[in-house]
Parts: sequence; structure tokens; C-alpha cells
Amino acid sequence: DAKTTQPPSMDCAEGRAANLPCNHSTISGNEYVYWYRQIHSQGPQYIIHGLKNNETNEMASLIITEDRKSSTLILPHATLRDTAVYYCIVRVANNAGNMLTFGGGTRLMVKP
Amino acid sequence: GAGVSQSPSNKVTEKGKDVELRCDPISGHTALYWYRQSLGQGLEFLIYFQGNSAPDKSGLPSDRFSAERTGGSVSTLTIQRTQQEDSAVYLCASSPLRGSNQPQHFGDGTRLSIL
Repeated sequence: DAKTTQPPSMDCAEGRAANLPCNHSTISGNEYVYWYRQIHSQGPQYIIHGLKNNETNEMASLIITEDRKSSTLILPHATLRDTAVYYCIVRVANNAGNMLTFGGGTRLMVKP
Repeated sequence: GAGVSQSPSNKVTEKGKDVELRCDPISGHTALYWYRQSLGQGLEFLIYFQGNSAPDKSGLPSDRFSAERTGGSVSTLTIQRTQQEDSAVYLCASSPLRGSNQPQHFGDGTRLSIL
């Protein structure tokens, strides 16, 4: 699976959009971009995933650049409950084992 | 419930005892995964199941660890003769089908503390 690079931490004001970047310059054509987050003392929570088109669901939007070498997770109106560590993962859907590997992630702090 | 359910949520036991951790995946999910996460660390893959079979046991740290899944649903992870280094959060995840792009969904884990 391709390696990802994320900033270690970010702050965001409550009610504003949180834009979390991820670089995955070695991504291959059959690899998807997945985003998870982990709030303290909870299991990782799936947020969104995509291949090449932008995606939106009730939690967030995922913007993938045309060359697919980077992406941005957007939380449109951040709340205090969005404070968590956000993980960007790139993986082939059908690789053997299918296990997930989380890197360091971005610690997002939403402030009042 | 609709999500992955794990029990117990917390387990404290003495070194040398056996423990059994349970995972109830999302209904209909054929793939099931066990991970563990030590304090401040990333995920460590342990084992995954496709149905009742475990094609990949490569992550089990020692022969004290075993897991089974019955009826294509509930799975149990057993740790025999526990050691202090076994202390961690044990996470279970499930997904609809191996080989698809559908994501894994996690439970909230069992926090295991070995005294």
C-alpha cells in the first residue's frame, strides 16, 4: 500500500470548515483513499473513501486531485466533537489480507 | 445494534490467567479482523477471518494467542497465560466482503490490563 503523509496537528475554530490534507504521491491506479478518525478511548471510525472522483456523505467531503497524488478531507462545519486524530490510508481494495495500517495521522483540535 | 460490538469493554486480570475477548460483527459482514493498539501506537494486525476460516494468522504474536469464528458471525480471541506486554486495546473490525472496496468498521475495543 502507498505511503501517506499528513501534518501532525491542526487547529480549527468551531463552526468553520476543517480542511485536512494528505499526500500520497506514490499512489497506484487501483488504490483507494480512505479516511478514518479516532476519538479518544473509541475505536477508529470510518469517514469516507474514494478512488478518483470527489465524494460527499453526511460526515464529510473528500477532494482528490486530478493526478491523485493528494487529497483533502473537508468537515464543513467543525464541532467540538470532531476533535480527534484523522488518518488517511491508501490501499488496494483486494490486496491479500486486507489489513489496515494507520500512520501518524493528524490530530485535529476544534476550539470554541 | 447496527455496529460492531465487543465485550467486555474493559478487562483487568492477573498475569498468567487466560482471557477471552468477544466480537459480534455487523450482520452480514463476511470478513472479520482483529487488531490491537498499545497506548499512543498505531494498529497492529493480528488475524482476519473470511467466513469461519482464517487465511491469515501472520499477526498473532505468539502461540498463546488464538482465535475462532463460528457460524460466520461471532468471533472470540483467546489469550492464554497472559503477560504484562499483552496489555493493550484489542479492536475488532468487520467488512462486507474481502476483495471489495468497502471499508472496515470497528468496534470500540476491549481494554485489557494485565497486572
